[in-house]
Amino acid sequence: AQTVTQSQPEMSVQEAETVTLSCTYDTSESDYYLFWYKQPPSRQMILVIRQEAYKQQNATENRFSVNFQKAAKSFSLKISDSQLGDAAMYFCAYRSVAGANNLFFGTGTRLTVIP
Amino acid sequence: KAGVTQTPRYLIKTRGQQVTLSCSPISGHRSVSWYQQTPGQGLQFLFEYFSETQRNKGNFPGRFSGRQFSNSRSEMNVSTLELGDSALYLCASSLWEGTSYEQYFGPGTRLTVT
Repeated sequence: AQTVTQSQPEMSVQEAETVTLSCTYDTSESDYYLFWYKQPPSRQMILVIRQEAYKQQNATENRFSVNFQKAAKSFSLKISDSQLGDAAMYFCAYRSVAGANNLFFGTGTRLTVIP
Repeated sequence: KAGVTQTPRYLIKTRGQQVTLSCSPISGHRSVSWYQQTPGQGLQFLFEYFSETQRNKGNFPGRFSGRQFSNSRSEMNVSTLELGDSALYLCASSLWEGTSYEQYFGPGTRLTVT
């Protein structure tokens, strides 16, 4: 089974600074999707960014970008110009392309933004 | 377009009772997935429905069941509740079956079993 590991239970960043959240995963599949989801205190899970494994180019969404290292099975999230609204739990998730549709989640990283 | 809605938002039940949670997907979405979120086990997949058929099931006991109606609304049922069933239950909808479609999550139902 696929496993997703987030080794940083908590991180903090000064407002306007940059922070990187780490994620590693284990799979024997060659094609898959990787995601970062944000869960603010409201508990609603929000998709931040998505990466297809077959794409070498790292995904970017405004202030959010990823560093996808397929050989190392690493998928980190960089948040630039951090804002107070970025404070939340961040979950890394994996989904097969050929297999079942469900997401496999990591344990999450709680991000605190310091004013 | 309205997002995924889940009802009720909060629920308190007693051990041994049963409970039914409801999820209404985004209009036009046909696939609904359910996840359980607990502090100890994190986020775990329960099951997925598409066109009223269960397509995939996670590793949960038979006390957990679900169904999907012709309008794509879905319900999940937990019978003989245990204290460990206390969790946030999240529903996610996607346009179609298949892994290329994004899953959009609802706000969740917080179930407390006493």
